[in-house]
Amino acid sequence: LAKTTQPISMDSYEGQEVNITCSHNNIATNDYITWYQQFPSQGPRFIIQGYKTKVTNEVASLFIPADRKSSTLSLPRVSLSDTAVYYCLVFSGGYQKVTFGIGTKLQVIP
Amino acid sequence: NAGVMQNPRHLVRRRGQEARLRCSPMKGHSHVYWYRQLPEEGLKFMVYLQKENIIDESGMPKERFSAEFPKEGPSILRIQQVVRGDSAAYFCASSPGTDSGETQYFGPGTRLLVL
Repeated sequence: LAKTTQPISMDSYEGQEVNITCSHNNIATNDYITWYQQFPSQGPRFIIQGYKTKVTNEVASLFIPADRKSSTLSLPRVSLSDTAVYYCLVFSGGYQKVTFGIGTKLQVIP
Repeated sequence: NAGVMQNPRHLVRRRGQEARLRCSPMKGHSHVYWYRQLPEEGLKFMVYLQKENIIDESGMPKERFSAEFPKEGPSILRIQQVVRGDSAAYFCASSPGTDSGETQYFGPGTRLLVL
């Protein structure tokens, strides 16, 4: 599994766009980049997944440069309810010994 | 389409008792994974099962822990003779398969407290 590095914490004001960057220098050809969101006392929730370029859904956008050694999760106009821990994962399929790091703790400030 | 279901959501046990945690995967999913999360830490893989088969249990402690996913019914994670260090949140996830790009969907977790 490719090792990932992301900031431990970030603060943002309500209404701002938040970008969380994840480094994964050892990403393999078959690997996908997947982001999860976890609220306190809840299980991780799938947000978005991509392989290359840009992916957008109703929740977020994921930007992946050509070399795929990093990715950026973009949350548009965050609200207080976006306060959570965000995990970046790189793996190639449903079965992986997926181990989540400590993620990025995003605190949205009113 | 119901998501991954786990019960109980909270479980309190005294040292030496047994804990049984249940997980029903999403409809159409035949792959189940169990994870453990300690406070302020990320989730750690424990075991991966398919119906009636344990595929990979390399993340599970060698003693006292077992898991099953019978042909009928939920997957069960069983912890015998619990100790205080077993206190954690246990999450179950499921996926439809293992093809590239297939992701895992998580349940709400069971919080085990050992007194």
